[in-house]
Order: sequence, then structure tokens, then C-alpha cells
Amino acid sequence: GDSVTQTEGQVALSEEDFLTIHCNYSASGYPTLFWYVQYPGEGPQLLFRASRDKEKGSSRGFEATYDKGTTSFHLRKASVQESDSAVYYCALSGAGNTGKLIFGLGTTLQVQP
Amino acid sequence: DMKVTQMPRYLIKRMGENVLLECGQDMSHETMYWYRQDPGLGLQLIYISYDVDSNSEGDIPKGYRVSRKKREHFSLILDSAKTNQTSVYFCASSFSQNTLYFGAGTRLSVL
Repeated sequence: GDSVTQTEGQVALSEEDFLTIHCNYSASGYPTLFWYVQYPGEGPQLLFRASRDKEKGSSRGFEATYDKGTTSFHLRKASVQESDSAVYYCALSGAGNTGKLIFGLGTTLQVQP
Repeated sequence: DMKVTQMPRYLIKRMGENVLLECGQDMSHETMYWYRQDPGLGLQLIYISYDVDSNSEGDIPKGYRVSRKKREHFSLILDSAKTNQTSVYFCASSFSQNTLYFGAGTRLSVL
């Protein structure tokens, strides 16, 4: 079945560091890929999404490029801030347009001032 | 203002008691969801509802049931709660079965 793998469970950085969170997926066809962010005490919220190969999604300085060749959708940010501390989830829409999203296990980002 | 509202935010119950978690949305979204979130397990889909009285099991439906009698309202019911149902529960809704809008969650403790 479809699946999403996030390599990093936790990431600790200092402000202005470069961020990469790896996301690889397994699915047939062209699933829509998502990045969600969850701040403490809140529900996840959409950061951005991409639906086609080579499409770049971006928001708030974060970006990721849909790469069907490597089945990846890695999240990057050039310079993180303390306010970026949160849990980040990569997700994909399941096959057959069932409305079901498949989430990775999440990556906790902690940014020190 | 697009919003998914969950009530209550915090709940403590004893094992064997019945639990009702409620969720409302003001966006007229057709599809609604219930997820649970546990450390190390991420977000797991319990049930999905495609519209009024059109519900489908997710990945972990055992021990739960749902009710959707109005498009804007979706309830999660735990009949005779168990300690392993202690978790944070999130409701979500979507218009295009694509982008999900989540509520703030209900933290349930079953003692």
C-alpha cells in the first residue's frame, strides 16, 4: 500500500541554520504531496502541497519540490527561526481519490535562539 | 472565518465509561475525519465521513463509532472506553478531499 517515510524523527538547529527534512513516498501514479505543520497545542495546518512532477510548493520561507524520479518531497528552509519550532508532517493523498491522507510519523524541529 | 471546532478540549474518563467527542465545521465541507495522535505513531485515521450518514472505516476503527446527522457536525463515540484509548483526537474537514483543515484537538485520558 501507499506509504510516507520521514527519515528524521527529531531535528535540533540554531537560528539561521539551514533546514532539510527528508520525505520519501511509495505510491502509484501521481499522488498529491503535502507538508503540514503542527505548533504546540494546535492541530496540524497545511504548509503547502504539490500535485505534479517538478512542481515546487512553498510558504513562509519553506519549500519542497515534487520529484517522481526519486519519489521524494524534501522540506527545506534556508534560515530557520525559533518560531519555526514545531512538528512537520509529510503526507500524500491515497489512491482512488478516497479522501484519505497518509501521513508520515512527523519530524519535531527544535530551534535554539 | 474557516474553522473546525472540537469539544471538549480536555476530558478525563474512567475505564468502561462512554465518551462522546464532538466536532463542528462552518465551511460546509462534505468530508470529515477523525484521527488520533500518539507519540511515535503520528496521525492515525479512525473514520472518514463523506457526507451525512456516509461513513467509512479508517485504519484503526476498532473500539470507535461515529455519527454524522448534519453536514457540519461529526461525532466520535467510544462505548466503554479503554485505557489504551488515551490519546489526542483530531477532527478535520475537507472540501475537495484533498486539503484537510484540523481542529485544535481533544486530549482524552482514560483512567
